[in-house]
Amino acid sequence: EAGVAQSPRYKIIEKRQSVAFWCNPISGHATLYWYQQILGQGPKLLIQFQNNGVVDDSQLPKDRFSAERLKGVDSTLKIQPAKLEDSAVYLCASSFRDKPQETQYFGPGTRLLVL
Amino acid sequence: KNEVEQSPQNLTAQEGEFITINCSYSVGISALHWLQQHPGGGIVSLFMLSSGKKKHGRLIATINIQEKHSSLHITASHPRDSAVYICAVGPTYLPWNTGNQFYFGTGTSLTVIP
Repeated sequence: EAGVAQSPRYKIIEKRQSVAFWCNPISGHATLYWYQQILGQGPKLLIQFQNNGVVDDSQLPKDRFSAERLKGVDSTLKIQPAKLEDSAVYLCASSFRDKPQETQYFGPGTRLLVL
Repeated sequence: KNEVEQSPQNLTAQEGEFITINCSYSVGISALHWLQQHPGGGIVSLFMLSSGKKKHGRLIATINIQEKHSSLHITASHPRDSAVYICAVGPTYLPWNTGNQFYFGTGTSLTVIP
């Protein structure tokens, strides 16, 4: 079974530039999560999708971050414009259902460095 | 305020030692997850617990719901066990339209020396 795919693996940009990350969850998984993990901290949930609908985006900085999952499968996360403090690993995860007992499967992450 | 606290933050052990990582949480939960994150790599789910104890190879995870505490044990540690171990809790299921946000600990960085 293929795991959660993410691209790119690494990205270096200058502040005020834009960047987009892509995630392909495990086939059949209805729930998709985007997390931000700053060095030395645990992951922080940015947004959670159930199929193509947003379930929770309360911690997404909506002035600069946006995410979509138009067809309920792949998802993109965009930052526009980037700030220095956005340097982090962006993790995508998916689970079969929207329940806390469900195992979340994580992708390899995209490491972003903003200069 | 951190809903999930882990200890220790950093741990160095000699190969073969028995290792314990602790996790305490302050919210009501329906599930607790132990995750492993290797440097430069993604996160792998090790265990999902809602009660009792689970064992997988040299890894053992226990949870005490009354005390709101979980431990991850590694027996006969090996250098390949070197990673960050993260405790995550899934709160008691919220109404469908508010999501089920997980709370994550900051992780325990384990280094096992040959």
